[in-house]
Amino acid sequence: DSGVTQTPKHLITATGQRVTLRCSPRSGDLSVYWYQQSLDQGLQFLIQYYNGEERAKGNILERFSAQQFPDLHSELNLSSLELGDSALYFCASSPRQGSNYGYTFGSGTRLTVV
Amino acid sequence: AQSVTQLGSHVSVSEGALVLLRCNYSSSVPPYLFWYVQYPNQGLQLLLKYTSAATLVKGINGFEAEFKKSETSFHLTKPSAHMSDAAEYFCAVSLSGGYNKLIFGAGTRLAVHP
Repeated sequence: DSGVTQTPKHLITATGQRVTLRCSPRSGDLSVYWYQQSLDQGLQFLIQYYNGEERAKGNILERFSAQQFPDLHSELNLSSLELGDSALYFCASSPRQGSNYGYTFGSGTRLTVV
Repeated sequence: AQSVTQLGSHVSVSEGALVLLRCNYSSSVPPYLFWYVQYPNQGLQLLLKYTSAATLVKGINGFEAEFKKSETSFHLTKPSAHMSDAAEYFCAVSLSGGYNKLIFGAGTRLAVHP
């Protein structure tokens, strides 16, 4: 157990639907990062939050959004889902903003869009 | 912008043989470098990291990596492969200092044969 909790572990939904992925960071970590892992794109950085504020954006689609709440958990919202959104979505956390601490990853949410 | 290239998407070794996974980076400023391992159906686990201290970095499970600035490389090695080392390995880079996201390579799948 890495200390980063992601729910649900698996999600199957239809095209056009909206889903919410949840992440609880490791105790004491203030930064949360979301990554998408797919066979064709590899690990792609989506977005980073630090202590409730958005800090960096990567290749995140406009249909996707995220937020970090006062208790530091984060949610990734995916809407108007397409078949190509099927992937593993990872959340990671770190103590502060700097990457030198390394990230602690959760076990991921596998999203299947049918 | 920084980037990472992992040479060889698949590497196969015999149990007891040397493991060498190659990683070359591109960065305009001194980088932080990381190796992560991903076992099937699990998240990524940090193996080791280089953050501008010693150039030879020792990690978990007997792995080590050497930062070579002149070659822009950060290859991962293990003297003797074990069956349990079979997994996917990711090299990652970020800029030193500040808050900077990890950029991952495409990954190398390591197979270990008896």
